[in-house]
Amino acid sequence: QSALTQPASVSGSPGQSIAISCTGTSSDVGGYNYVSWYQQHPGKAPKLMIYEVSNRPSGVPDRFSGSKSGNTASLTISGLQAEDEADYYCSSYTSSTTLVVFGGGTKLTVL
Amino acid sequence: QVQLQESGPGLVKPSETLSLTCTVSGGSISNYYWSWIRQPPGKGLEWIGYMYYSGATNYNPSLKSRVTMSVDKSKNQFSLKLSSVTAADTAIYYCAREVLSGPNYDTRNYAFDFWGQGTMVTVSS
Repeated sequence: QSALTQPASVSGSPGQSIAISCTGTSSDVGGYNYVSWYQQHPGKAPKLMIYEVSNRPSGVPDRFSGSKSGNTASLTISGLQAEDEADYYCSSYTSSTTLVVFGGGTKLTVL
Repeated sequence: QVQLQESGPGLVKPSETLSLTCTVSGGSISNYYWSWIRQPPGKGLEWIGYMYYSGATNYNPSLKSRVTMSVDKSKNQFSLKLSSVTAADTAIYYCAREVLSGPNYDTRNYAFDFWGQGTMVTVSS
């Protein structure tokens, strides 16, 4: 069981917007602005899409955005494209001795 | 562009020690935090631990008793050893660099911007 809770799957049609949630506790997501999101295509290494809740690394399209409310963070993808179909993982700093925790991952299907 | 490359045996026998090395190219290992992260087949990501270039470490408590990380600055490499392995340690092992931000690029973010391609390690007799 992962420390952060994500929906197992989400789907959307090209051009639509979708959001993926990531729920933790006040010891991780809710207590710190160190939430990050990763995109992972099959057989590939994860790619950083968002860090510090809402910051995009250079080269990540602005269709990807992050936010947080209380103990839940969200990744929103607008203008869905076929290439966005992948697994998405959230991660957070935690004040527990584990230091870094991940969500269980969400499979995004572009219909 | 920073590149990371994991290397090591793809097959380890139960009860033995898994040993992997991550070679960093295109940038220095100095002044950064370097982590190992693993992913069992078809499952999610698990942070194993990090090593600072100075040699300081922090391990996931669930693996702490079996993990050792080390750094070789002269070779721009860092390594992972996981002892007493079982089938549950079968996974893709990634090495990754932690993001640093701020005006002096010394603020940790606990996010990982550069990853190796990953190396599959199977524990089996």
